[in-house]
Amino acid sequence: QQQVKQSPQSLIVQKGGISIINCAYENTAFDYFPWYQQFPGKGPALLIAIRPDVSEKKEGRFTISFNKSAKQFSLHIMDSQPGDSATYFCAASSASKIIFGSGTRLSIRP
Amino acid sequence: DSGVTQTPKHLITATGQRVTLRCSPRSGDLSVYWYQQSLDQGLQFLIQYYNGEERAKGNILERFSAQQFPDLHSELNLSSLELGDSALYFCASSRLAVDGELFFGEGSRLTVL
Repeated sequence: QQQVKQSPQSLIVQKGGISIINCAYENTAFDYFPWYQQFPGKGPALLIAIRPDVSEKKEGRFTISFNKSAKQFSLHIMDSQPGDSATYFCAASSASKIIFGSGTRLSIRP
Repeated sequence: DSGVTQTPKHLITATGQRVTLRCSPRSGDLSVYWYQQSLDQGLQFLIQYYNGEERAKGNILERFSAQQFPDLHSELNLSSLELGDSALYFCASSRLAVDGELFFGEGSRLTVL
């Protein structure tokens, strides 16, 4: 019940395409869903986050879609660029803990 | 720059040795988390401190220990090191006891030979 399942493990997208990473959770106590971006040799950094009272949040080319009934959320990167190549972690947090997904390595082909 | 400072950035040591990793959280943050990331792996939660007290424990080995000091900096002690302990160790901080918004340092890369 404490897991956050993330897929795919790796993803290759052509420049200009849409990158989609999916996450699913089980614990309905989670009330904050952040995404972190990690470049090689660096620490993860908060990219975008959503609370379950909205179904979508957009910041520039990055959008989180949230489906509360299905307990799923996803990150969409529009017009993907080579600079977006990184590892992305979804996470879910509640009043007691934060749980990270296993990560997705995204490569954007020029 | 996240505001979280970790030292050292790189550390090479031998099996059986003991090392200490240090973390200074962002100004005003009371919570410190330690994570281990092995090559191409995810973030393994080790331990969390909040305002000097241990708050949560993850998959931390008995050979590892940590503490948070009154000035809120934290140290992770790794002893009897094994080859498999080679990894990136990240410290993260947050303002609250539980917060989905963590600020990560750049990590300490430990190599055990």
